[in-house]
Amino acid sequence: DAGVIQSPRHEVTEMGQEVTLRCKPISGHDYLFWYRQTMMRGLELLIYFNNNVPIDDSGMPEDRFSAKMPNASFSTLKIQPSEPRDSAVYFCASSLWYEQYFGPGTRLTVT
Amino acid sequence: GENVEQHPSTLSVQEGDSAVIKCTYSDSASNYFPWYKQELGKRPQLIIDIRSNVGEKKDQRIAVTLNKTAKHFSLHITETQPEDSAVYFCAAATQGAQKLVFGQGTRLTINP
Repeated sequence: DAGVIQSPRHEVTEMGQEVTLRCKPISGHDYLFWYRQTMMRGLELLIYFNNNVPIDDSGMPEDRFSAKMPNASFSTLKIQPSEPRDSAVYFCASSLWYEQYFGPGTRLTVT
Repeated sequence: GENVEQHPSTLSVQEGDSAVIKCTYSDSASNYFPWYKQELGKRPQLIIDIRSNVGEKKDQRIAVTLNKTAKHFSLHITETQPEDSAVYFCAAATQGAQKLVFGQGTRLTINP
């Protein structure tokens, strides 16, 4: 298995632009998680899905952030409009029975 | 909700010595406790986990112990090597939730 796949690996954008991050979970996994990692705040859970349904989005910082999972093999995290404080590494992870496996992450820089 | 505290935040040991990282959790319903290793610029990687029906688990040079009464669990690394240098995260999950609550991380440095 190729593991969790994320794209793009790096994204540099200007403040106010829309950013879309993509994730393909491990085949057969029924949970998908989006995390944000910064030096100041550590590893934060933003939202997670079970069988494509959002279960808990309490970690989404504000309405500028949205996430979708249209099918079992694809999820997106969108930021619109982006702000400099959104700069971070965004990880996607998937699991079947508790064991979460992380993707390589997307390093987002908003200037 | 669950809260996980991890100590120490940084740890420096001589190569060949042992390293111990400790975590405490608040929710007595938590029953799954994984440990992740994150090297600089890389993704967190699951290195070992333990469930509440087990008190200790070992995998070569790493081991995890769990004390459910005291609500704490620890990672033990023996015969440390330079490649063990990384940030280590503990986490806890409640049965049925699958949502992990992470500790703040421990930066482990192995000195040659």
